[in-house]
Amino acid sequence: AQSVTQPDIHITVSEGASLELRCNYSYGATPYLFWYVQSPGQGLQLLLKYFSGDTLVQGIKGFEAEFKRSQSSFNLRKPSVHWSDAAEYFCAVGASSGSARQLTFGSGTQLTVLP
Amino acid sequence: NAGVTQTPKFQVLKTGQSMTLQCAQDMNHEYMSWYRQDPGMGLRLIHYSVGAGITDQGEVPNGYNVSRSTTEDFPLRLLSAAPSQTSVYFCASSPGGRGYHGYTFGSGTRLTVV
Repeated sequence: AQSVTQPDIHITVSEGASLELRCNYSYGATPYLFWYVQSPGQGLQLLLKYFSGDTLVQGIKGFEAEFKRSQSSFNLRKPSVHWSDAAEYFCAVGASSGSARQLTFGSGTQLTVLP
Repeated sequence: NAGVTQTPKFQVLKTGQSMTLQCAQDMNHEYMSWYRQDPGMGLRLIHYSVGAGITDQGEVPNGYNVSRSTTEDFPLRLLSAAPSQTSVYFCASSPGGRGYHGYTFGSGTRLTVV
């Protein structure tokens, strides 16, 4: 079974600073990896996804993520954080085989942005 | 397109009551899922469906029932509500077929059981 670990429960950065959110996954085959963002009281919005090919994936809102198979990681990055990026971020891995294709989520990282 | 629509947005139940959380999607997606979100635990899969008439259990199915009579609708039934079912519930859908497209989420139902 697949699993996802987000080691940082809460991260605080200043506006304009760079950001990296960590995600480690466990899955026996080639993973399908996702980052979602959740603003307070809202649903989940897909930031980016990795299926195969180029290991550096570009997403919406200026985010990118890099898939590193050797480290089982899929870290999310942004060069310069904006106050509107304050939210909770979830990494997820998808089952690629069989009929399930279900997502397994990490426990989330809460991002606070200081002015 | 409305995407994935969940109703109600908020609900308060008394212990032992039953209710149905509604989920509808207008994207003709084959796959639909229900998750619950609890603080510090991310989202956990309750039940899922890979097409009309086909459902299966996820990680935390106890106390919940689902059915999928149409492609569009995937209601989640709480049989006898318990305080442990206080949570935010999300419905999600995804296209079927070859490849993997990820899931589109509804805006959630916040349920409190007292």
